[in-house]
Amino acid sequence: AQTVTQSQPEMSVQEAETVTLSCTYDTSENNYYLFWYKQPPSRQMILVIRQEAYKQQNATENRFSVNFQKAAKSFSLKISDSQLGDTAMYFCAFEAGKSTFGDGTTLTVKP
Amino acid sequence: DTGVSQDPRHKITKRGQNVTFRCDPISEHNRLYWYRQTLGQGPEFLTYFQNEAQLEKSRLLSDRFSAERPKGSFSTLEIQRTEQGDSAMYLCASSLSTRTGESQYFGPGTRLLVL
Repeated sequence: AQTVTQSQPEMSVQEAETVTLSCTYDTSENNYYLFWYKQPPSRQMILVIRQEAYKQQNATENRFSVNFQKAAKSFSLKISDSQLGDTAMYFCAFEAGKSTFGDGTTLTVKP
Repeated sequence: DTGVSQDPRHKITKRGQNVTFRCDPISEHNRLYWYRQTLGQGPEFLTYFQNEAQLEKSRLLSDRFSAERPKGSFSTLEIQRTEQGDSAMYLCASSLSTRTGESQYFGPGTRLLVL
């Protein structure tokens, strides 16, 4: 069985600064995918970034980047130049067939 | 295309009643997923379909829960004899893939309250 752990229930950051959200996972699979999803208050969950486990290069999407350490089973999300609209709950997810989500980190961006 | 839609958005029912939720995925998407999310937690996988075939069911999906996707388009999730512990947000997601790893697009969810 796969597990996903997000050890930071809540975080805050000042607007324009950088923040890193942590995620670790446990699996015996070798081929899998990792995702970060964002769920703004009372709104739909949307994809932030995706990483294929067989790729060593870390994924980047504009201000969002990941630090994927396969051996350590770690998949952190870095948000640069934080904006007020980044305030949301962020979920780390693992997929190898079915998906397993962490319990989320609530991020608040302060003006 | 307006994305994944779910109906109803909110449902209040009494314990012991049956409820049915509907999910309409993005039209060309062949995979459809159901999740349950309780407050302060991440989505828990319930089941997923590829076209009309139900490929996997979670052990969370007791015999009171059933899901269908009869023509490989929309899907329904039925909960029979609801219990207070069934109160949660039920999320549907879809993706375009015949393999794992494709990004899922989520609907707005159906919030269920069992009194």
